[in-house]
Amino acid sequence: SQQGEEDPQALSIQEGENATMNCSYKTSINNLQWYRQNSGRGLVHLILIRSNEREKHSGRLRVTLDTSKKSSSLLITASRAADTASYFCATDKSDYKLSFGAGTTVTVRA
Amino acid sequence: DAGVTQSPTHLIKTRGQQVTLRCSPKSGHDTVSWYQQALGQGPQFIFQYYEEEERQRGNFPDRFSGHQFPNYSSELNVNALLLGDSALYLCASTAVSTDTQYFGPGTRLTVL
Repeated sequence: SQQGEEDPQALSIQEGENATMNCSYKTSINNLQWYRQNSGRGLVHLILIRSNEREKHSGRLRVTLDTSKKSSSLLITASRAADTASYFCATDKSDYKLSFGAGTTVTVRA
Repeated sequence: DAGVTQSPTHLIKTRGQQVTLRCSPKSGHDTVSWYQQALGQGPQFIFQYYEEEERQRGNFPDRFSGHQFPNYSSELNVNALLLGDSALYLCASTAVSTDTQYFGPGTRLTVL
């Protein structure tokens, strides 16, 4: 069974716009990680946020975590064509076993 | 510094055959996990190896087995292949000092 669920399933935006996707999960976690996957290839790690953190930034990425609502969001600002990919959230209950959602497919139109 | 590597890149097998997939972890990492990703789905945890032993296992049948070698590299073996085993198999490595898991490029297995 999958711990995390991403919303929306798919997102289409114009280049330069911001993209926001959400992740909800069911049980307490140690950390939550976001990954990007291009065309069914390997997963690229984007950012890790721990359960005692509320917000983290990395370049054009901003991640928030609300443990009371068991939810996280990933914001990509000023999107580029190269941001076209599937994005996954994965939760870790401190046992190094990641539970993934089904992902959000983002398409950035030129 | 090489990242996680996997071989082969692609593999085609027929039902009933056996397959072995290989993974070399990122330098300095001692824990290797395997995931199965079916088309259009998120990765599903198969099992994890640490100190050459299976430390955790997901909801996969005994047809799926693995091994970790003293140099921390790992193999995933699948026996009696079924059509439903067709998927992208991903290997991830991590170390005790970090929570981040780094993934390899995956092996695409097609079972005919």
